[in-house]
Amino acid sequence: RKEVEQDPGPFNVPEGATVAFNCTYSNSASQSFFWYRQDCRKEPKLLMSVYSSGNEDGRFTAQLNRASQYISLLIRDSKLSDSATYLCVVNPNTGNQFYFGTGTSLTVIP
Amino acid sequence: DTGVSQDPRHKITKRGQNVTFRCDPISEHNRLYWYRQTLGQGPEFLTYFQNEAQLEKSRLLSDRFSAERPKGSFSTLEIQRTEQGDSAMYLCASSLYSQGVRTEAFFGQGTRLTVV
Repeated sequence: RKEVEQDPGPFNVPEGATVAFNCTYSNSASQSFFWYRQDCRKEPKLLMSVYSSGNEDGRFTAQLNRASQYISLLIRDSKLSDSATYLCVVNPNTGNQFYFGTGTSLTVIP
Repeated sequence: DTGVSQDPRHKITKRGQNVTFRCDPISEHNRLYWYRQTLGQGPEFLTYFQNEAQLEKSRLLSDRFSAERPKGSFSTLEIQRTEQGDSAMYLCASSLYSQGVRTEAFFGQGTRLTVV
Protein backbone atom coordinates (compact mmCIF):
# COMPACT_ATOMS: atom_id res chain seq x y z
CA ARG A 1 0.00 0.00 0.00
CA LYS A 2 1.31 3.43 -0.91
CA GLU A 3 2.12 5.85 1.88
CA VAL A 4 0.02 8.60 0.30
CA GLU A 5 -2.77 8.21 -2.23
CA GLN A 6 -4.46 10.89 -4.26
CA ASP A 7 -7.03 10.97 -7.01
CA PRO A 8 -4.94 12.06 -10.01
CA GLY A 9 -7.89 13.80 -11.67
CA PRO A 10 -7.82 15.70 -13.91
CA PHE A 11 -10.21 18.21 -12.46
CA ASN A 12 -11.46 20.73 -15.01
CA VAL A 13 -13.47 23.51 -13.40
CA PRO A 14 -14.77 26.89 -14.54
CA GLU A 15 -13.39 30.10 -13.11
CA GLY A 16 -15.03 30.97 -9.84
CA ALA A 17 -15.83 27.38 -8.94
CA THR A 18 -15.01 25.70 -5.66
CA VAL A 19 -12.98 22.52 -5.92
CA ALA A 20 -11.81 20.05 -3.28
CA PHE A 21 -9.03 17.50 -3.31
CA ASN A 22 -8.56 14.67 -0.86
CA CYS A 23 -5.71 12.39 -0.08
CA THR A 24 -5.28 9.49 2.29
CA TYR A 25 -2.22 8.37 4.16
CA SER A 26 -1.36 4.96 5.55
CA ASN A 27 0.83 5.70 8.57
CA SER A 28 -1.47 6.53 11.45
CA ALA A 29 1.47 7.93 13.42
CA SER A 30 2.16 10.64 10.84
CA GLN A 31 2.46 14.08 12.31
CA SER A 32 3.17 16.65 9.59
CA PHE A 33 1.12 17.25 6.49
CA PHE A 34 1.48 19.66 3.61
CA TRP A 35 0.07 20.64 0.26
CA TYR A 36 2.53 21.53 -2.47
CA ARG A 37 1.76 23.05 -5.84
CA GLN A 38 3.68 22.05 -8.94
CA ASP A 39 3.44 23.85 -12.26
CA CYS A 40 4.27 22.01 -15.46
CA ARG A 41 7.98 21.14 -15.63
CA LYS A 42 8.72 23.15 -12.49
CA GLU A 43 9.67 22.17 -8.96
CA PRO A 44 7.10 21.60 -6.20
CA LYS A 45 6.46 24.69 -4.10
CA LEU A 46 4.97 24.70 -0.63
CA LEU A 47 1.38 25.89 -0.74
CA MET A 48 0.46 25.38 2.87
CA SER A 49 1.03 23.24 5.91
CA VAL A 50 -1.96 21.37 7.30
CA TYR A 51 -2.66 21.72 10.99
CA SER A 52 -4.82 19.51 13.18
CA SER A 53 -7.38 22.24 13.70
CA GLY A 54 -7.55 23.05 10.01
CA ASN A 55 -6.21 26.24 8.53
CA GLU A 56 -7.06 28.79 5.91
CA ASP A 57 -4.96 30.99 3.68
CA GLY A 58 -7.05 33.28 1.55
CA ARG A 59 -9.04 31.15 -0.87
CA PHE A 60 -7.35 27.95 0.29
CA THR A 61 -8.51 25.81 3.22
CA ALA A 62 -6.74 22.68 4.44
CA GLN A 63 -8.30 20.11 6.73
CA LEU A 64 -6.93 17.07 8.51
CA ASN A 65 -9.04 14.11 9.62
CA ARG A 66 -6.84 11.87 11.73
CA ALA A 67 -9.53 9.30 12.45
CA SER A 68 -9.99 8.61 8.75
CA GLN A 69 -6.40 9.44 7.84
CA TYR A 70 -7.18 11.90 5.12
CA ILE A 71 -6.23 15.44 4.25
CA SER A 72 -8.21 17.81 2.12
CA LEU A 73 -7.59 21.01 0.22
CA LEU A 74 -10.45 23.33 -0.72
CA ILE A 75 -9.98 26.07 -3.27
CA ARG A 76 -12.70 28.69 -3.47
CA ASP A 77 -13.32 31.14 -6.29
CA SER A 78 -10.88 29.35 -8.61
CA LYS A 79 -8.61 31.49 -10.75
CA LEU A 80 -6.97 30.61 -14.05
CA SER A 81 -3.65 30.87 -12.22
CA ASP A 82 -4.66 28.03 -9.89
CA SER A 83 -4.16 25.57 -12.77
CA ALA A 84 -1.41 23.23 -11.60
CA THR A 85 -0.81 19.86 -9.99
CA TYR A 86 -1.44 19.72 -6.25
CA LEU A 87 0.70 17.30 -4.29
CA CYS A 88 -0.29 15.91 -0.92
CA VAL A 89 2.76 15.38 1.30
CA VAL A 90 3.16 13.54 4.59
CA ASN A 91 6.16 13.59 6.90
CA PRO A 92 5.83 10.87 9.53
CA ASN A 93 7.89 13.07 11.84
CA THR A 94 10.29 10.33 12.62
CA GLY A 95 12.24 13.08 10.95
CA ASN A 96 12.83 11.18 7.81
CA GLN A 97 11.64 11.52 4.27
CA PHE A 98 8.62 13.32 2.95
CA TYR A 99 6.12 11.05 1.21
CA PHE A 100 4.40 12.48 -1.85
CA GLY A 101 1.16 11.54 -3.50
CA THR A 102 1.05 11.29 -7.29
CA GLY A 103 -0.59 14.70 -7.47
CA THR A 104 -4.00 15.93 -8.58
CA SER A 105 -4.16 17.91 -11.79
CA LEU A 106 -6.38 21.00 -11.83
CA THR A 107 -7.27 23.05 -14.87
CA VAL A 108 -9.37 26.16 -14.39
CA ILE A 109 -11.25 27.03 -17.55
CA PRO A 110 -12.23 30.58 -18.54
CA ASP B 1 18.89 34.04 -4.67
CA THR B 2 19.04 32.22 -1.35
CA GLY B 3 16.90 29.23 -2.32
CA VAL B 4 17.95 25.72 -3.23
CA SER B 5 19.96 25.65 -6.43
CA GLN B 6 20.74 22.72 -8.69
CA ASP B 7 23.21 22.33 -11.48
CA PRO B 8 22.93 21.56 -14.32
CA ARG B 9 19.30 22.28 -15.13
CA HIS B 10 19.35 19.89 -18.07
CA LYS B 11 21.58 16.99 -18.97
CA ILE B 12 21.49 14.79 -22.04
CA THR B 13 23.79 11.81 -21.93
CA LYS B 14 24.38 8.62 -23.83
CA ARG B 15 23.49 5.31 -22.26
CA GLY B 16 26.39 3.93 -20.30
CA GLN B 17 27.91 7.29 -19.41
CA ASN B 18 28.29 8.59 -15.87
CA VAL B 19 26.63 11.81 -14.78
CA THR B 20 26.93 13.95 -11.67
CA PHE B 21 24.48 16.52 -10.37
CA ARG B 22 25.06 19.16 -7.75
CA CYS B 23 22.71 20.67 -5.18
CA ASP B 24 23.33 23.70 -2.99
CA PRO B 25 20.76 23.84 -0.19
CA ILE B 26 19.50 26.85 1.71
CA SER B 27 22.53 27.78 3.76
CA GLU B 28 21.24 27.20 7.29
CA HIS B 29 19.41 23.97 6.43
CA ASN B 30 20.84 20.83 7.98
CA ARG B 31 18.84 18.29 5.97
CA LEU B 32 19.16 17.67 2.28
CA TYR B 33 17.00 15.30 0.23
CA TRP B 34 17.20 13.85 -3.24
CA TYR B 35 14.06 12.84 -5.08
CA ARG B 36 13.33 11.57 -8.57
CA GLN B 37 10.21 12.43 -10.50
CA THR B 38 8.88 10.98 -13.74
CA LEU B 39 6.01 12.31 -15.79
CA GLY B 40 2.64 11.95 -14.11
CA GLN B 41 4.11 10.79 -10.82
CA GLY B 42 4.89 12.46 -7.55
CA PRO B 43 8.49 12.79 -6.41
CA GLU B 44 10.01 9.50 -5.21
CA PHE B 45 12.47 9.56 -2.35
CA LEU B 46 16.05 8.54 -3.09
CA THR B 47 18.14 9.54 -0.08
CA TYR B 48 18.65 12.19 2.55
CA PHE B 49 21.43 13.66 4.65
CA GLN B 50 21.58 15.35 7.98
CA ASN B 51 24.66 17.50 7.80
CA GLU B 52 27.26 15.19 6.22
CA ALA B 53 25.69 11.92 7.35
CA GLN B 54 23.58 9.95 4.89
CA LEU B 55 20.77 8.73 7.10
CA GLU B 56 18.50 6.86 4.72
CA LYS B 57 18.61 5.41 1.22
CA SER B 58 15.67 4.16 -0.76
CA ARG B 59 15.78 0.75 -2.34
CA LEU B 60 15.27 2.70 -5.56
CA LEU B 61 18.86 3.83 -5.14
CA SER B 62 20.65 1.01 -6.91
CA ASP B 63 24.38 0.41 -6.75
CA ARG B 64 24.79 2.69 -9.75
CA PHE B 65 23.62 5.66 -7.69
CA SER B 66 25.73 7.36 -5.07
CA ALA B 67 25.26 10.58 -3.18
CA GLU B 68 27.59 12.57 -1.00
CA ARG B 69 27.48 15.62 1.16
CA PRO B 70 31.11 15.83 2.24
CA LYS B 71 31.10 19.03 4.29
CA GLY B 72 27.47 19.15 5.21
CA SER B 73 26.79 21.87 2.70
CA PHE B 74 26.36 21.06 -1.01
CA SER B 75 25.61 17.55 -2.21
CA THR B 76 26.32 15.56 -5.35
CA LEU B 77 24.36 12.73 -6.87
CA GLU B 78 26.21 10.49 -9.29
CA ILE B 79 24.68 7.94 -11.61
CA GLN B 80 27.07 5.46 -13.15
CA ARG B 81 26.45 3.54 -16.36
CA THR B 82 23.24 5.41 -17.06
CA GLU B 83 20.25 3.56 -18.47
CA GLN B 84 17.26 4.91 -20.37
CA GLY B 85 15.11 4.22 -17.33
CA ASP B 86 17.15 6.79 -15.41
CA SER B 87 15.61 9.57 -17.50
CA ALA B 88 13.71 11.74 -15.04
CA MET B 89 13.74 15.00 -13.15
CA TYR B 90 16.10 14.82 -10.17
CA LEU B 91 14.97 17.14 -7.42
CA CYS B 92 16.92 18.30 -4.43
CA ALA B 93 15.25 19.73 -1.33
CA SER B 94 16.46 21.04 1.99
CA SER B 95 14.92 21.64 5.38
CA LEU B 96 15.86 22.88 8.82
CA TYR B 97 15.25 19.90 11.08
CA SER B 98 14.79 20.19 14.81
CA GLN B 99 13.36 17.33 16.83
CA GLY B 100 9.69 17.72 17.57
CA VAL B 101 9.34 20.76 15.35
CA ARG B 102 7.38 20.75 12.11
CA THR B 103 9.77 21.04 9.23
CA GLU B 104 9.03 22.05 5.65
CA ALA B 105 11.06 21.10 2.62
CA PHE B 106 12.04 23.58 -0.06
CA PHE B 107 12.91 22.35 -3.51
CA GLY B 108 15.41 23.35 -6.15
CA GLN B 109 14.40 23.68 -9.77
CA GLY B 110 15.62 20.20 -10.56
CA THR B 111 17.97 18.61 -13.05
CA ARG B 112 16.22 17.05 -16.00
CA LEU B 113 18.16 14.01 -17.21
CA THR B 114 17.61 12.48 -20.60
CA VAL B 115 19.46 9.27 -21.41
CA VAL B 116 19.61 8.52 -25.14
